[in-house]
Amino acid sequence: DQQVKQNSPSLSVQEGRISILNCDYTNSMFDYFLWYKKYPAEGPTFLISISSIKDKNEDGRFTVFLNKSAKHLSLHIVPSQPGDSAVYFCAASEYSGGGADGLTFGKGTHLIIQP
Amino acid sequence: NAGVTQTPKFQVLKTGQSMTLQCAQDMNHNSMYWYRQDPGMGLRLIYYSASEGTTDKGEVPNGYNVSRLNKREFSLRLESAAPSQTSVYFCASRWQGGDEQYFGPGTRLTVT
Repeated sequence: DQQVKQNSPSLSVQEGRISILNCDYTNSMFDYFLWYKKYPAEGPTFLISISSIKDKNEDGRFTVFLNKSAKHLSLHIVPSQPGDSAVYFCAASEYSGGGADGLTFGKGTHLIIQP
Repeated sequence: NAGVTQTPKFQVLKTGQSMTLQCAQDMNHNSMYWYRQDPGMGLRLIYYSASEGTTDKGEVPNGYNVSRLNKREFSLRLESAAPSQTSVYFCASRWQGGDEQYFGPGTRLTVT
């Protein structure tokens, strides 16, 4: 049973517009959420994260929103650039601030930025 | 500062053969992890090591063993490879007190 779900396998967005990637989770114990970006033949690269005590975190063009009651988070990229074309993984952890357990990942969304 | 390194990058094994995947990090991180990624799937945790001298099973540990050789190195061993273990394997590390994990470039393993 998938605990982290990314229901859109792919998303196509025009350059300069906003990209919105969605993620849902089922485990109420998840305390910390992360987004990773992955290019082909490379390892995932950390992008941005959010603790469950917050509802928004912003870093440059990237903003993550968390709605705990809906068990939903989203990643906004504004404006979208060609280099943003990659697979984006949503991940969750039951512990924040030092928990050693591994991350639970969604299946990923392939974002394609059209020129 | 190389971050997380993995060897080899590619490997082809026959069913029943054994091999060890190597991982090392130079960031002085306490925790290290092994994941596998199959086509159309997210990464799934195989084993992790919270600190030197300790290891624990993750979501999909069957068919694998691990060794935390020292603080820097964490190896993954397949004793008798099976076609179901064809996958891309990623090693990651995390600083104690942080939440982000830093990943290596991966090892693409094919078992025929």
